[in-house]
Amino acid sequence: AQSVTQLDSQVPVFEEAPVELRCNYSSSVSVYLFWYVQYPNQGLQLLLKYLSGSTLVKSINGFEAEFNKSQTSFHLRKPSVHISDTAEYFCAVSEGIMAGGFKTIFGAGTRLFVKA
Amino acid sequence: EPEVTQTPSHQVTQMGQEVILRCVPISNHLYFYWYRQILGQKVEFLVSFYNNEISEKSEIFDDQFSVERPDGSNFTLKIRSTKLEDSAMYFCASSDGTESGEQYFGPGTRLTVT
Repeated sequence: AQSVTQLDSQVPVFEEAPVELRCNYSSSVSVYLFWYVQYPNQGLQLLLKYLSGSTLVKSINGFEAEFNKSQTSFHLRKPSVHISDTAEYFCAVSEGIMAGGFKTIFGAGTRLFVKA
Repeated sequence: EPEVTQTPSHQVTQMGQEVILRCVPISNHLYFYWYRQILGQKVEFLVSFYNNEISEKSEIFDDQFSVERPDGSNFTLKIRSTKLEDSAMYFCASSDGTESGEQYFGPGTRLTVT
């Protein structure tokens, strides 16, 4: 079974500083990776995804993540964070279901706290 | 853009009562899911549903839980006799069955059992 490890439970950072949220997944032949963001008291929003092709994927709000197969990592980065980026970030991987379809396996989450 | 919707947004119930959480998946999707997030914890898979039957369920999804697609649009999660530990955010998701398994999540229903 797939598993996802987010190495940092909390990451405090000052506004306009760079940030990296780390994520490692268990190895598999094919892997589809996701980052979700959850703002306080809200649902899950897909931030970005890696399905195939270029190993560097980007979101519309400046986040990017790089799929590294040799290190089984999918770290999330942003060169300059804003107060509004304060949220919980979940790394996730798809796992196939024998009867068809997939389920999403989530990491424990990293709380990004951006300070002024 | 099509989206998954869930009702109610917040449900408060007493221990031992039955609750039904409702979801309307994206209309052309074929696979449906429920996930749970206990406060402060990670999101956990509960059950997947395809072709009018459960395709996989987790250990959490015991006999107190059931799912149903009563018509062509709704997908429900029923908890027969709620316990305090069922208090959580419940997310519905759907997918169209593409190879990546990308799922679209609803906004969630916060269930509070008192």
